[in-house]
Amino acid sequence: DAGITQSPRHKVTETGTPVTLRCHQTENHRYMYWYRQDPGHGLRLIHYSYGVKDTDKGEVSDGYSVSRSKTEDFLLTLESATSSQTSVYFCAISERVGAEAFFGQGTRLTVV
Amino acid sequence: QQQVKQSPQSLIVQKGGISIINCAYENTAFDYFPWYQQFPGKGPALLIAIRPDVSEKKEGRFTISFNKSAKQFSLHIMDSQPGDSATYFCAASKWDDKIIFGKGTRLHILP
Repeated sequence: DAGITQSPRHKVTETGTPVTLRCHQTENHRYMYWYRQDPGHGLRLIHYSYGVKDTDKGEVSDGYSVSRSKTEDFLLTLESATSSQTSVYFCAISERVGAEAFFGQGTRLTVV
Repeated sequence: QQQVKQSPQSLIVQKGGISIINCAYENTAFDYFPWYQQFPGKGPALLIAIRPDVSEKKEGRFTISFNKSAKQFSLHIMDSQPGDSATYFCAASKWDDKIIFGKGTRLHILP
C-alpha cells in the first residue's frame, strides 16, 4: 500500500461540533484529495491540493474547508458538522493531476 | 453534471462466468480511463487503465474494451471468482485535470 494514513478511522460526533480529519502521506506526492463516498453517489471530490498552501474546491465543497501546511499533511475540517455529512471520507494522493490516485483506508464519520 | 455514467449499479454473476461493467463518458478531451477496485472496509485501488490510442487492454482475467467513437468503455472479468466480489469504479480524466469517477458497481460472484 502507498504510504497514506488517515486518522481517525472512525468518529462519532454531534451535530454542530467542529471535526477535523487528517491525511498523512510518506510518498512526497504533490497532489492530495479528499473524497466522500455515499451509497448511490460513488466517490465525490470535496477539495484537493496541488501544493503546500495551494488548494481548490471540488464538486461538494460546501460545509468543508481544508489546509495543507506541509507536503505530507492534508486536513479536512467540518466547521459545524451536520447529519448530511455522515459518510466515509477517503484521502488520495497522486504524482500529478489526472494520474493514478492512491487511496487511504478511509474514515467513517457519523454525525448524530 | 455527471460526466461518467456507469452501469449496472449492482451485478450478480456465477463463479466462472463473465462479469461486464459498462461506462460512458461525455468529454472527448478525456485521455485516461482507469478502473478501480474496492473491497469492503478498504480504499479503492487501481485495477487496470487504458489510453484512447488502443481499443483493448488485458491484464490476466481483466480486460478493458474501449470504443472511442461511441465514447464508451467496459471492464470484462473472465472466469469470475468469489474473490472478485467488490465495488468497481470506472473513471476518466484529462492530462491536466482531476479524475472523474462513475458511481460504482457492486459485483457479487456466487460460489
